[in-house]
Amino acid sequence: DAKTTQPPSMDCAEGRAANLPCNHSTISGNEYVYWYRQIHSQGPQYIIHGLKNNETNEMASLIITEDRKSSTLILPHATLRDTAVYYCIVRGPPGAGGTSYGKLTFGQGTILTVHP
Amino acid sequence: DTGVSQDPRHKITKRGQNVTFRCDPISEHNRLYWYRQTLGQGPEFLTYFQNEAQLEKSRLLSDRFSAERPKGSFSTLEIQRTEQGDSAMYLCATSRDTAYEQYFGPGTRLTVT
Repeated sequence: DAKTTQPPSMDCAEGRAANLPCNHSTISGNEYVYWYRQIHSQGPQYIIHGLKNNETNEMASLIITEDRKSSTLILPHATLRDTAVYYCIVRGPPGAGGTSYGKLTFGQGTILTVHP
Repeated sequence: DTGVSQDPRHKITKRGQNVTFRCDPISEHNRLYWYRQTLGQGPEFLTYFQNEAQLEKSRLLSDRFSAERPKGSFSTLEIQRTEQGDSAMYLCATSRDTAYEQYFGPGTRLTVT
């Protein structure tokens, strides 16, 4: 799986958009970009994934650059409950066999702190 | 609550003792993963089951660790002769074959004294 690089920490004011960047310059053609977050003392939570098109769901938006070498997770109106560690992960498609079997390779993520 | 449950939530044990953790997946999920997370680090993959078959094990999984998933439902992770370095959060995650997302349980926090 391709390696990702994220800033170690970011701050955001409550109610403002939080834009979390991720660099994945070695991503290969069939690899997806996934975002998970982990609120203190809980298991990670899936947020969103994408291949090359921008994606939006009820939690967030994912913007992937045209060359797919980087992406940005956008939380449009951050709340205090969005304070968490955010992980950007690159992985092959589900159902892929071989040696990966869909395991997630987490880095250290970005600690997002939303303040009042 | 994701629907994945883990038991116990916390375990304190003395060095050298054996411990066993349990994960109950979402019922229709045939893929089950175990991860370990130490303080300040992201989770690290330990092992993977497709139904009852254990198909991949990380090099992190020493011979003191064993995992099972009898009948392809719940899974257990056993650590024999625990060491202080085993202190960590042990996370279970499950998914369908064709699903993009994995659902994580709340984890079992192990402290070895």
